[in-house]
Amino acid sequence: RKEVEQDPGPFNVPEGATVAFNCTYSNSASQSFFWYRQDCRKEPKLLMSVYSSGNEDGRFTAQLNRASQYISLLIRDSKLSDSATYLCVVNDPGGYNKLIFGAGTRLAVHP
Amino acid sequence: DVKVTQSSRYLVKRTGEKVFLECVQDMDHENMFWYRQDPGLGLRLIYFSYDVKMKEKGDIPEGYSVSREKKERFSLILESASTNQTSMYLCASSSTNTEAFFGQGTRLTVV
Repeated sequence: RKEVEQDPGPFNVPEGATVAFNCTYSNSASQSFFWYRQDCRKEPKLLMSVYSSGNEDGRFTAQLNRASQYISLLIRDSKLSDSATYLCVVNDPGGYNKLIFGAGTRLAVHP
Repeated sequence: DVKVTQSSRYLVKRTGEKVFLECVQDMDHENMFWYRQDPGLGLRLIYFSYDVKMKEKGDIPEGYSVSREKKERFSLILESASTNQTSMYLCASSSTNTEAFFGQGTRLTVV
């Protein structure tokens, strides 16, 4: 079983749609969770951290379910500029702040 | 703004050459990482360092070595480049229990 698993997609959605991505992680001792965004041929950039209580940043909402060991990202009112690959990231509780990346979920928003 | 700078955006090297990829960060982060990213495989950790002169193997260290003589600089060395090391190489840095910041990536082609 992979340490961090994501549906690779692609998710093809029209502008204005709501889309949700899920990610599961294998180590129940992980403490830090993030969503990164990566545009084609660019480096990953932090989209948002994921907190236990859930958090929202504009059109983006992140949720953490520790019992089921999954993280979700909800994007409301999708824009063309949201087209990218979204990476789920979990820390390795073994130390050194090593981060484990999922393979990413590709989102394509069309007019 | 955190800045992680990789020495080259694009690099073409011959099989058997020794290759140095340099990464510098300006935020006094303890942790630095080297990843490679290939289509369908996501980000894979090659090596990381949690302090000066300290290094740990990641998931795919074979064929690579690293050097961290100063806190701000983390070098990846391909001792004898091979065609299967053609990839996008990404350097990242982080402080303990925080997100990682990436450099712009180096696209290495080995011919």
